Amino acid sequence: DVKVTQSSRYLVKRTGEKVFLECVQDMDHENMFWYRQDPGLGLRLIYFSYDVKMKEKGDIPEGYSVSREKKERFSLILESASTNQTSMYLCASLLAGTYEQYFGPGTRLTVT
Amino acid sequence: AQTVTQSQPEMSVQEAETVTLSCTYDTSENNYYLFWYKQPPSRQMILVIRQEAYKQQNATENRFSVNFQKAAKSFSLKISDSQLGDTAMYFCAFPSSGTYKYIFGTGTRLKVLA
Repeated sequence: DVKVTQSSRYLVKRTGEKVFLECVQDMDHENMFWYRQDPGLGLRLIYFSYDVKMKEKGDIPEGYSVSREKKERFSLILESASTNQTSMYLCASLLAGTYEQYFGPGTRLTVT
Repeated sequence: AQTVTQSQPEMSVQEAETVTLSCTYDTSENNYYLFWYKQPPSRQMILVIRQEAYKQQNATENRFSVNFQKAAKSFSLKISDSQLGDTAMYFCAFPSSGTYKYIFGTGTRLKVLA
């Protein structure tokens, strides 16, 4: 079975802290994604990666960066967390040549 | 610009009845995929059904089927014999042309009533 895991289900951080969200997939997928999910806005793409060390900005990259040093792991970094980054963060992966995304359980981040 | 619109923020249906969730989209592409994803409360998002635009036949997966109208750019999801486990957020989505970057709708929250 396909599995995408995220390091935390719930996270509370203070304004200005550096925050790391980790995502791991066990399917050898080339493509990995970070989304932000907010009520009434659906899912918005923050960044995606199509290979190790390769990344591309999504629709809302401001305030975020990513790292992909190994194929199975894709990290989202909030350099200096702000209250408007309070949200649900979803990670997903996808096998090249297909179009089906597999999602992790999500991390609900609260920045106070 | 490519867009996806889900005009029903919330819906409810009685158990065992049928419900249809609407989705319209805009793209200039001729060949593409369309998807419905389901996100149950506090659980992972999963794929419900997918449609390939070059196929005229509507996709079906057990109790889930789509009504794909390519010319109208409409892609609705029909759930037959609704079950309590169908309670979830449903998202319509498709990959932006030539990429794996998905465009998602804003979602429809479906509640199945006992």
